[in-house]
Amino acid sequence: DAGVTQSPTHLIKTRGQHVTLRCSPISGHKSVSWYQQVLGQGPQFIFQYYEKEERGRGNFPDRFSARQFPNYSSELNVNALLLGDSALYLCASSAQGVEKLFFGSGTQLSVL
Amino acid sequence: DAKTTQPPSMDCAEGRAANLPCNHSTISGNEYVYWYRQIHSQGPQYIIHGLKNNETNEMASLIITEDRKSSTLILPHATLRDTAVYYCIVRVNTNAGKSTFGDGTTLTVKP
Repeated sequence: DAGVTQSPTHLIKTRGQHVTLRCSPISGHKSVSWYQQVLGQGPQFIFQYYEKEERGRGNFPDRFSARQFPNYSSELNVNALLLGDSALYLCASSAQGVEKLFFGSGTQLSVL
Repeated sequence: DAKTTQPPSMDCAEGRAANLPCNHSTISGNEYVYWYRQIHSQGPQYIIHGLKNNETNEMASLIITEDRKSSTLILPHATLRDTAVYYCIVRVNTNAGKSTFGDGTTLTVKP
């Protein structure tokens, strides 16, 4: 079975641009969460979606938004990119949202 | 979620047991202890979790003290491939998606 897949794997943007990151959860998993990981730090929670509804939001500005589709895949959108948004963006899925997480390999975003 | 404290780094000789400590003195009665690890340039990988009893699986053992204020992850026979950052997380089992990761322990297994 395929694991959590994320695309693209790497992305380079300039300040002020917009970016969309995509995530496909493990088949049968209904919960998707997004995390930001800055170099040298642990992942920081951004959003969780379960059955297409937002279940939680971390301490991130409104420039960050996300959504989950009927097939449970998800997109993370970041507007008006700042240099500080450069990070590894991780997607994690779980079956019901209450147990262990399965992570993808992430999207490495560089903002120049 | 309760706050956890882990040493920033540890070394272990290949073939020996690696014992990674985690303090969680403010843990609540309904909070579980989860361990994940992250190998360079990959996403975190689930290792093991427990509530109050010791747990063992094919990857590791988890020892939780009786007062539940600390725990130890044990890798019984560390290999070079176990070199990674290990994260200890404490949370209730109602919302896995919103997990709070600290900075973890960087374990280096040496030949």
